[in-house]
Parts: sequence; structure tokens; C-alpha cells
Amino acid sequence: LAKTTQPISMDSYEGQEVNITCSHNNIATNDYITWYQQFPSQGPRFIIQGYKTKVTNEVASLFIPADRKSSTLSLPRVSLSDTAVYYCLVGAGGGNKLTFGTGTQLKVEL
Amino acid sequence: GAGVSQSPRYKVAKRGQDVALRCDPISGHVSLFWYQQALGQGPEFLTYFQNEAQLDKSGLPSDRFFAERPEGSVSTLKIQRTQQEDSAVYLCASSPELGYGYTFGSGTRLTVV
Repeated sequence: LAKTTQPISMDSYEGQEVNITCSHNNIATNDYITWYQQFPSQGPRFIIQGYKTKVTNEVASLFIPADRKSSTLSLPRVSLSDTAVYYCLVGAGGGNKLTFGTGTQLKVEL
Repeated sequence: GAGVSQSPRYKVAKRGQDVALRCDPISGHVSLFWYQQALGQGPEFLTYFQNEAQLDKSGLPSDRFFAERPEGSVSTLKIQRTQQEDSAVYLCASSPELGYGYTFGSGTRLTVV
């Protein structure tokens, strides 16, 4: 599975837009990009998945450039409750295991 | 049930003791996974079941770790002769089909003293 690199931590304030970028230079043709969110004492929770261009759901947007060597998770107007660790994963859509990195600790303040 | 249920939520074991961690997946979910998460790290894959068949156990760190899912629903992760390095959160996830729609439980925090 392609290795991912993302910032260890980010700080933001309520109401701001947060963009977390993930690098995955060795992404394979059949790999999808998936983001998970994890709160303390809970398991990871699926946020969004994409293959190319842009994907948007009720929680976030995912931007993937044409070369797919990176991706950006965009969280609009964050709140305190968005404070969590965010993981970027890359793997085949039908893969049987998820490979997590160390994630990005997002801290949202008032 | 509505989600993946894991029990116990917390377990303290003395070094050398055997432990058993239980996972109740979402009803009807074919695939079941176990992950180990050390403090400050992302979850790491341990093993995977499709129904009752254990198709991948490449992540199990040693032969002290054993997982089963005899009837294709509830799964148990057993750790024999626990060591301090086994201290971690053990997460279970299930999905209705391979590769999609993973739902994680809240995990069991194991502390070996």
C-alpha cells in the first residue's frame, strides 16, 4: 500500500475552513484515497473517499489533483467538536486491510 | 445492533495472564477486522475474517495472539501470556463487503501491569 505523509498537527479557530493535505507519491492506479476521523476513546470513523477530482458530502470535501500524488481534506467552518485526529489512507477499493499512518491532530479553539 | 460493540471497554491484566477480547459486529456484516492501536499511533492491522474464515492473519505480532469467529458473527481475540508491550487499544471493525463501509467499535483498552 502507498505510504502517506501528512502534518502531525494543525491548529484552527471555530468558523474557519481547515485544509489538511496528504502526500502519497507512490499511489497506484487502482488505489482510492480515504479519510477517517478519530476522537479520543473511540474507533476511527469514515469521513470521505475519492479517486480523482473532487468529492463532497455533508461533512467534508476531498480535492485530488490530476496526478493523484496528493489530496486535500477540506472541513468547512470547523467547530470545537471537530477536534480529532484525521487519517489519510491510500489503498485499493477492494483491499482487505486499512493502513493508517500517525494522522494529523487537529485542534480547534474558540 | 446499531454499531460494532466491543467488550470489555477496559481490561487490566497481570503480566503472564491470558485475556479474551470480544467483538460483536454489525448484524449481517461479512467482513471483520482486528486492529491494534498503541498510544499516539494509528491503528495497525492484525487479522481479517470473511464470515468464519480467517483469510489474513499477517499482522498478528506473535503466536501468543489468536483470533476466532466460529459462527461468522461474534469474534474473540485472545492473547496468551500477556506482556507489557501488548498494552494498547484493540479495535474491531466490520463491513458488509470487502473494502467498503468499515465501521469501527470503540475498542478495548488493555493495560498489562
